[in-house]
Formats: sequence, C-alpha cells, structure tokens
Amino acid sequence: QKEVEQNSGPLSVPEGAIASLNCTYSDRGSQSFFWYRQYSGKSPELIMFIYSNGDKEDGRFTAQLNKASQYVSLLIRDSQPSDSATYLCAVNMLGFSGGYNKLIFGAGTRLAVHP
Amino acid sequence: GAGVSQSPSNKVTEKGKDVELRCDPISGHTALYWYRQRLGQGLEFLIYFQGNSAPDKSGLPSDRFSAERTGESVSTLTIQRTQQEDSAVYLCASSLVVEGAGEGDEQFFGPGTRLTVL
Repeated sequence: QKEVEQNSGPLSVPEGAIASLNCTYSDRGSQSFFWYRQYSGKSPELIMFIYSNGDKEDGRFTAQLNKASQYVSLLIRDSQPSDSATYLCAVNMLGFSGGYNKLIFGAGTRLAVHP
Repeated sequence: GAGVSQSPSNKVTEKGKDVELRCDPISGHTALYWYRQRLGQGLEFLIYFQGNSAPDKSGLPSDRFSAERTGESVSTLTIQRTQQEDSAVYLCASSLVVEGAGEGDEQFFGPGTRLTVL
C-alpha cells in the first residue's frame, strides 16, 4: 500500500460544477494534511491545509478530513477552466528523528474543467 | 520577502558527469526539503534538513545522491556519475516549523531545476 494514494484521473467536470478530489493515507499518526495545486510545468502551490476532523472552507475550496477513515478530500465549488491542474495531497509522516516532520505527497489527480 | 530560489533553472549534462543543484530557502525557515519529480509523476521525497539536526536521508535513491546544508541556509544536492534515469525536475521546499501539527508546517516550493542527462 502506498503511503498516500490518489486517483490519477483525469477527473473531468463541466464549468460551474463541483469537483471532488480524494486522498487516503496509511499512517494513523499523521496530523497535518495539505492540498497543493500544480499547473503543468510549474511548481506546486499550497491551496489549503487541515489539521482537525471535519470541514474547513476557504472561498470556493473546502477540505474535509476524517482521521478514523484515514481520508482527506478537497471540494472545489463553481469550478472554472482556470482550476484545471494537478492536485496533490500531502500528509505528514513519521520521520527519521521520530517526529512527524516528513511530508509525503500522493501522485496527484489531474482535474480538467471544460467550458 | 523573497521566496525559495533554485539554480540553475535548467541543466543538461552527459551521462557519467557530476552535477550540483542549489537551493536558497526562505530566510528564517528551519526546514528544507528536496524532491524529485519525473515527467508526469508525483513528487518523490529525497531528503530533508531541520536546523542542525541530522538530516533524514531515507528518500535518496542511491549513494550517488548526497546533499548538504550549513545551518539554516543554502543547500546543495549533488548527483555523481549521472544516469539517464536521473533526468527529472528537482524541487526544493522550505518551511518554518517542522514539529507535528501547526500552521508553520506548510512547505513553499522553489521553481525547480530541470535536469536532463544525455
């Protein structure tokens, strides 16, 4: 089992729809969860982070965390063509020194929003 | 302030040569990470540094790869005797706080170095 798993996609949604991106992780001790967006040929940029169970909203983005199920998701409301990118889930994992200070990324889900 | 910077932005080398990649983290950030991203793939963790602690080298793919960082400043990633499978974008990231949950854990990425081994 991979440490952080995402469906590679592509996930295709029409403009204005809700895009739902999912991620599961293996380490029950993980506490910090991040969503990054990466446009083709560019570096990842942070969209949201979440540390507590439940929902966290920021504009059109909502992150959802369920630690019991080891599941984190990202919802994008009113999807726009400019949201078309690869979305990377990242989870902190047990590191070499014994602390949860190693961030592991999933392979990413490619989102395509069509007009 | 300035973000994470990396140099060179592109590097083309011949198989068997050594290369050095440089990363300048955001000033004051205690943690620094190196990742490799092959074309069309996700980020592969290579190594991280936190302050003056021993680095976590668990992601380095072979002993041809090494990295150094002095204190909380610049880091260099060295690849010796490069192979064609080393061709990738090498990304550096820094963060303010490393310990567990907390708002300082977010990593900020540099623009990357695209390495091509012929």
